[in-house]
Amino acid sequence: DAGITQSPRYKITETGRQVTLMCHQTWSHSYMFWYRQDLGHGLRLIYYSAAADITDKGEVPDGYVVSRSKTENFPLTLESATRSQTSVYFCASSEGGLNEKLFFGSGTQLSVL
Amino acid sequence: QKEVEQNSGPLSVPEGAIASLNCTYSDRGSQSFFWYRQYSGKSPELIMSIYSNGDKEDGRFTAQLNKASQYVSLLIRDSQPSDSATYLCAVTNQGGKLIFGQGTELSVKP
Repeated sequence: DAGITQSPRYKITETGRQVTLMCHQTWSHSYMFWYRQDLGHGLRLIYYSAAADITDKGEVPDGYVVSRSKTENFPLTLESATRSQTSVYFCASSEGGLNEKLFFGSGTQLSVL
Repeated sequence: QKEVEQNSGPLSVPEGAIASLNCTYSDRGSQSFFWYRQYSGKSPELIMSIYSNGDKEDGRFTAQLNKASQYVSLLIRDSQPSDSATYLCAVTNQGGKLIFGQGTELSVKP
């Protein structure tokens, strides 16, 4: 089915480990985004990408790394996970940018122990 | 001061009533405004966008924007239990970043 898919759906890891969250979209949307959602903070932008090989920081980029070698994939890596990175992570895409409708994936619930 | 502020709620309304959800923002240069709905355990989905002052209606939903007061609201007429969800206000600031409020939880009681 076309759309935006995230994997894994749930992930438990330990402090200090590297974790990669995957995001794949089949619409060929130019823009892709990573958000985290925490109680009391709403959705906060981590990184976004306007096209392949073009990425930029959002509100809370520290501790995260992204890459976009192909238009359809936008993985998010936590290089050394910390407990404060326990959160629900949403990937999203849009056709035209931040002023356009965002389509969200189903989310990844990450727990860092 | 948060860039986008909403009352976290919960806001409880009886079935058939009008639910009024409010949002204020701090960046006067903001140009684009959105309302997303998020059911518990699900991802957000866009229900309304508004770009100019005034009202915009779509079915039972009306978005209202007042740039002078830096205020955007969402009215839901004839509220249904299926409208029970968290409603997220999102604003594109002058830097081009989409900033979300923390969301207002709405509960519609049968």
